[in-house]
Amino acid sequence: EAQVTQNPRYLITVTGKKLTVTCSQNMNHEYMSWYRQDPGLGLRQIYYSMNVEVTDKGDVPEGYKVSRKEKRNFPLILESPSPNQTSLYFCASRPLAGGDIQYFGAGTRLSVL
Amino acid sequence: QKEVEQDPGPLSVPEGAIVSLNCTYSNSAFQYFMWYRQYSRKGPELLMYTYSSGNKEDGRFTAQVDKSSKYISLFIRDSQPSDSATYLCAMSPANQAGTALIFGKGTTLSVSS
Repeated sequence: EAQVTQNPRYLITVTGKKLTVTCSQNMNHEYMSWYRQDPGLGLRQIYYSMNVEVTDKGDVPEGYKVSRKEKRNFPLILESPSPNQTSLYFCASRPLAGGDIQYFGAGTRLSVL
Repeated sequence: QKEVEQDPGPLSVPEGAIVSLNCTYSNSAFQYFMWYRQYSRKGPELLMYTYSSGNKEDGRFTAQVDKSSKYISLFIRDSQPSDSATYLCAMSPANQAGTALIFGKGTTLSVSS
């Protein structure tokens, strides 16, 4: 089954404790991205990657890092999480050709205390 | 003016009603128009996809794009309780690989039986 898999689905942590949210896709998509979704603000892109070793900032990259060492994986790293990063996070992927139809993971709900 | 405007609702209708969901946008470069459906605690899933102007029908769902008015619509006929979800419009310019989808904030729909 074609899918984007995120882990963990739920995470509660404390300020300053480094964490990684993993994302993996099995569709051989070149393009992967991370979004956060907040009430009243909608979905906002954090980072994206157009292929292995190619990453770039989205609209709200501050406080986040990403890496793309393999085509299928695109982890999101919070090196020193803060309470304003409490949010619902989605990973998405799509092929580079054929428009912008993105496939989303099920989401990771993060709470930073 | 925000790039994409979407009435957040909530919108409550009885089963069998016709539902109209709308978004307006300001960027005339947008060529790809999508509607995503997001159930509670799930990631967005693609519902309808349209390139440029016109109508597209898929079962009970019809997507319309009016580029002259910068206005897109999603119609749901014979609405069902299973249609209860948040509907997100999304759009992007053509042929700009890496450009993020711009999302509306979503309209929450509740269909009562």
